[in-house]
Order: sequence, then structure tokens, then C-alpha cells
Amino acid sequence: AQTVTQSQPEMSVQEAETVTLSCTYDTSENNYYLFWYKQPPSRQMILVIRQEAYKQQNATENRFSVNFQKAAKSFSLKISDSQLGDTAMYFCAFMIQGAQKLVFGQGTRLTINP
Amino acid sequence: DAGVTQSPTHLIKTRGQQVTLRCSPKSGHDTVSWYQQALGQGPQFIFQYYEEEERQRGNFPDRFSGHQFPNYSSELNVNALLLGDSALYLCASSVVSRVYEQYFGPGTRLTVT
Repeated sequence: AQTVTQSQPEMSVQEAETVTLSCTYDTSENNYYLFWYKQPPSRQMILVIRQEAYKQQNATENRFSVNFQKAAKSFSLKISDSQLGDTAMYFCAFMIQGAQKLVFGQGTRLTINP
Repeated sequence: DAGVTQSPTHLIKTRGQQVTLRCSPKSGHDTVSWYQQALGQGPQFIFQYYEEEERQRGNFPDRFSGHQFPNYSSELNVNALLLGDSALYLCASSVVSRVYEQYFGPGTRLTVT
């Protein structure tokens, strides 16, 4: 069975600080995609960043970057220069290549304090 | 360019009733997936529709059924509602060739009393 584990239910940092959210996953497949989604209080799930498992280079999107460790099945998200608007639930997810469904973790509630 | 839209926003039903939720995909998308997100949990995959047929189904009972129309919009039907069906129901659309790029709607909050 494919599972995603986010070990940090809640995190809180000051504005402008850097924060890292952890995620581990379990799959026997070799080809898959990994994602971080953000869900603000408005409830809309927004894609933050995507990583293809076959790519060794870590994905980056502006202030967001990932540390992908395939052998360790680890996929952490780093948010640099955090902003108040980053306050949200963050979900780690993955999808087996060729499959149709996203498998999500339980989420991490991130609060950015002024 | 309209994104994924869902209706209604909120819904309150009584145990045993039936409910229909609706989703319109993002323009250019042909595939619709449905997810159930219980309070404090991550979303769980219900099923996905493409070419008006169910492509894959998650671990949900037959009380959950769906439909996709020729214009790619979709409905999620839940029969014989249980208290445990209370959740946020999310619709996501994609292009079948890039199903890993799923765009989510704002969700429908269903409360069963």
C-alpha cells in the first residue's frame, strides 16, 4: 500500500524566517510524482511544487524548494523568507506514474506570525 | 479562464437522504477526480471520470456514485447518507495525458445531521 506520513501536525515561525516541513512516503514503485499542496482557510487546494522521481535535481519555485531523497523516501519542503500569506495547511502527496489518484498525507498546519 | 467550479458551497442533509454535488472542470480539461476530505485529514480519492466512464475507484462503498457529462462536467451522488459522510468534497480536473497536473475546486462542505 502507498502511504504518506507528515510527522509535524503543527508548526509556527516568525515572518521572514525559513521553515522546513517534513514528509516521508512508502511505495514499491520506481516512477512517481511528488507534490506539496497548500490549503488556506478558503479551502482551495493549491499546488505549491511538483517533483518527478526520475529527476535528481530538486525542484524550486521562487521561495519554495524541496529536498528529495529517493533512497530514504523523503520529500521535505523549505519555505524561505516566509510571509503571512503562507499561513495554511500543507499537504504532501504522491502519484504513481500511470495511475490516476493522488495519495495525501495528514497535513501540517503552518502559522506565520508577524 | 475559469478554474474548477463546484456547487453548492455548503449543504446540510439528514441521515438517510441522498445528495448530488456538481463540478465543472477547468477549460480544456477532460478528466474529473473526486476526493473526500474529513475534518483534520488529508483528502481521500473517491473516483475519476474520463470519457463519461469511471477509470479508477478508491475504497468507497457503492453508495458513492458518479457521472460525467459530454461537456466534461461531473456529478457525485451519495445515497443513504451517514453521519460519517460529513466532509469537504473536492473536485479536481486535469487533461488525461497529464493527469498528474490536477487543479482543485473550492469544494463543497457537506454536513449530515
